[in-house]
Amino acid sequence: DIQMTQSPSSLSASVGDRVIITCRASQTISRYLHWYQQKPGKAPTLLIYEVSTVQRGVPARFSGSGSGTEFTLTIDSVQPEDFSTYYCQQSHTLPPTFGQGTRLEIK
Amino acid sequence: QVQVVQSGPEVTKPGSSVKVSCRASGYTSGSYGFTWVRQAPGQGLAWMGWISAYNGDSKIEKQFQGRLLMTRETSTATAYMELKSLRSDDTAMYYCATTVEGSTGWYEKLDYWGQGSLVSVSS
Repeated sequence: DIQMTQSPSSLSASVGDRVIITCRASQTISRYLHWYQQKPGKAPTLLIYEVSTVQRGVPARFSGSGSGTEFTLTIDSVQPEDFSTYYCQQSHTLPPTFGQGTRLEIK
Repeated sequence: QVQVVQSGPEVTKPGSSVKVSCRASGYTSGSYGFTWVRQAPGQGLAWMGWISAYNGDSKIEKQFQGRLLMTRETSTATAYMELKSLRSDDTAMYYCATTVEGSTGWYEKLDYWGQGSLVSVSS
């Protein structure tokens, strides 16, 4: 199975900060990399798909980039509603696998 | 507007089975897929399997093979996930997620999520 490793596992940020979350795959996954946001007690929601396409309705402060095995999720000017857990997922190879999650907390 | 609604919480005993339903609305064709993802308490997301709403093709994560049965009912746009021989470590929130219309593969992004169905396994 392809292992997805996110870093950091948790981070603290202040409102207005720029935040970068990294996701590394154990093998090349082309562009089959997606990001989800999960707020406490809620189902995940799709944020970004295929590395860099922002899901409709997601604020423009969210962006994604990367290729091959290394990918990033960037939040420009973090807002209070962004404090959540973020997961990357590869869907290049069965079984699709998720990163362990990155918890973004308020500093 | 696609909506995904799952069945309610279940409390079960070790060794028993549980069946969770997932009803999708808002699709105009059967060209989409259902994916099941579970999340143990305080843990991350784990992909369990996928079933095509279109033709019933399915893929199951190997750790669940032999215990997981996924079915779908086209007339009601409902998918079912039955997990057998339950253990205490199967206690988790079980999510159903679907894809945009026209996206039928197991490799598709997960666009719409149900609210989750909590399954508790305890003697």
